[in-house]
Amino acid sequence: AQSVTQLGSHVSVSEGALVLLRCNYSSSVPPYLFWYVQYPNQGLQLLLKYTTGATLVKGINGFEAEFKKSETSFHLTKPSAHMSDAAEYFCAVSPISGNTPLVFGKGTRLSVIA
Amino acid sequence: DVKVTQSSRYLVKRTGEKVFLECVQDMDHENMFWYRQDPGLGLRLIYFSYDVKMKEKGDIPEGYSVSREKKERFSLILESASTNQTSMYLCASTRRQGWFMSLGDEQYFGPGTRLTVT
Repeated sequence: AQSVTQLGSHVSVSEGALVLLRCNYSSSVPPYLFWYVQYPNQGLQLLLKYTTGATLVKGINGFEAEFKKSETSFHLTKPSAHMSDAAEYFCAVSPISGNTPLVFGKGTRLSVIA
Repeated sequence: DVKVTQSSRYLVKRTGEKVFLECVQDMDHENMFWYRQDPGLGLRLIYFSYDVKMKEKGDIPEGYSVSREKKERFSLILESASTNQTSMYLCASTRRQGWFMSLGDEQYFGPGTRLTVT
């Protein structure tokens, strides 16, 4: 069975600082990988996804993530944090075959300090 | 603009009441999902459906049932609400490709219903 681990339930950064949110997955074969963001009192929206091809994936709002098969990781980064980035971020994994829905991590809450 | 809508943003019910949470999508998606979201536990899948009148149990189906009479609508039912069902409930949908699941496709989420059972 696939699983996702997000390191750190809460991350706090200063405005303008690097954002790094960590995600590791467990899978026998490289899966499809996703990052979702949830702003307060809203549903989730897709930030970016990796399916095939280039391992560095760019998403919305200046975020990007790199798929590293050797490390089974898919960490999310943004060079310079903005106050509007404060939200909860979820990493998710999907197999490339079969009929299993997405498996989500437990989420990381990002706080941005002025 | 694609949309998943949920019937209520906030709902307060009493223990033992029957509760209906409604979800409608306008994207002609085959697959629909119900999750509950709790602090520290992330999203947990309750039920999903890959076609009209079809349903599959997720990770935590106990105490819940679902109904999918039309393609665009997926209802979550709490037969007898309990306080431990106080939570945020999120509905999502995605299209089907091939036999079942569009595995690399985005799931579209509704805004959520915050249910409080007293």
